[in-house]
Amino acid sequence: AQSVTQLGSHVSVSEGALVLLRCNYSSSVPPYLFWYVQYPNQGLQLLLKYTSAATLVKGINGFEAEFKKSETSFHLTKPSAHMSDAAEYFCAVRNTNAGKSTFGDGTTLTVKP
Amino acid sequence: DVKVTQSSRYLVKRTGEKVFLECVQDMDHENMFWYRQDPGLGLRLIYFSYDVKMKEKGDIPEGYSVSREKKERFSLILESASTNQTSMYLCASSMTSGRITGELFFGEGSRLTVL
Repeated sequence: AQSVTQLGSHVSVSEGALVLLRCNYSSSVPPYLFWYVQYPNQGLQLLLKYTSAATLVKGINGFEAEFKKSETSFHLTKPSAHMSDAAEYFCAVRNTNAGKSTFGDGTTLTVKP
Repeated sequence: DVKVTQSSRYLVKRTGEKVFLECVQDMDHENMFWYRQDPGLGLRLIYFSYDVKMKEKGDIPEGYSVSREKKERFSLILESASTNQTSMYLCASSMTSGRITGELFFGEGSRLTVL
């Protein structure tokens, strides 16, 4: 079984501030982990993914995430928020041997000028 | 560029109507998925398919069926639409290489309103 918990359905930061979006997962096998971003009226697109090669994963638009097995976490960070980062972010986990992904409930990021 | 195309961005249907949502991908991906997205509930998997003519139930298949007659096309069918099926529907595809399955590629979504 697999599940994802995203802490905080809404996060608000000032432009230039650190972005931290939290994700904890549960998986019975070593997981594949993903962060996706959804801009208004669009589908989801991949931000970054963890596939066991390296624990610190860098993605597009300056985002990165660190896989911490002991904490079962895969938090998303960006050192300096930009107005264009305002979107909804989804963490997802996938069992290694199956194609189904389980998504968290999503976190809406607001960036204040 | 990878592309997943959903036939309708916005649909309005009446209760009891049969509804078809079409999805086409041009990446020769083996796997295709239909998700439903509702505020505060994230994405929930309705059905998925690993190959032509194969389908498996996801987490919320009740009230839905699917069809995959060709590799590139995956259709979601609401046999008799109900108001609680008003939602955003997202189609996605992914590839499998050996034992590894890649990330999901999504269409732009179909927003269905059932009156």
